[in-house]
Amino acid sequence: DAGVIQSPRHEVTEMGQEVTLRCKPISGHDYLFWYRQTMMRGLELLIYFNNNVPIDDSGMPEDRFSAKMPNASFSTLKIQPSEPRDSAVYFCASTAGQGDTGELFFGEGSRLTVL
Amino acid sequence: DAKTTQPTSMDCAEGRAANLPCNHSTISGNEYVYWYRQIHSQGPQYIIHGLKNNETNEMASLIITEDRKSSTLILPHATLRDTAVYYCIVTRPHNAGNMLTFGGGTRLMVKP
Repeated sequence: DAGVIQSPRHEVTEMGQEVTLRCKPISGHDYLFWYRQTMMRGLELLIYFNNNVPIDDSGMPEDRFSAKMPNASFSTLKIQPSEPRDSAVYFCASTAGQGDTGELFFGEGSRLTVL
Repeated sequence: DAKTTQPTSMDCAEGRAANLPCNHSTISGNEYVYWYRQIHSQGPQYIIHGLKNNETNEMASLIITEDRKSSTLILPHATLRDTAVYYCIVTRPHNAGNMLTFGGGTRLMVKP
């Protein structure tokens, strides 16, 4: 398996623009997580899905952020409109969930810079 | 999930064992200890986990004290490529999809 695949790896945009980050989890994994990492706040859990259904979005900073998982092999995290404080590395992770070891598999991240 | 305490940073000489401590005095009976590491500019990577017995795999060993209030991750022969931030996390593995809450971690610098 290729692992968790994220795109784009780098995104530079201007304030007010819409940003869409994409994630393809490992095939067969039931859970998908979106994390954000900044120097100030470290790694923060934004939202996670189980079987394509959002379970906990309490970490989503505000209404400008939205996440979807239309099928088991694809998820998006959208920021509209983007702001400079959204600049961060966004990680997607997946796991097989119940019955497994609890290991999360992370993608390489999408580095977002909002000017 | 129980809170963990780790030193902010540590140094280790290449080829020597790196011993990374973690305190988790409020750990409950059904919580596991997980270790992840994050090499610069990469996503976090799973290393090892355990409940109460010591564990070993190809990457590291995990020593958990008998009262389970602390643990030590051991990299037996550290290399320069082991320079990373190491996160100790305590959680229930089958709870709500294995949610992991990352703290500040320990920044390990392996020096030649």
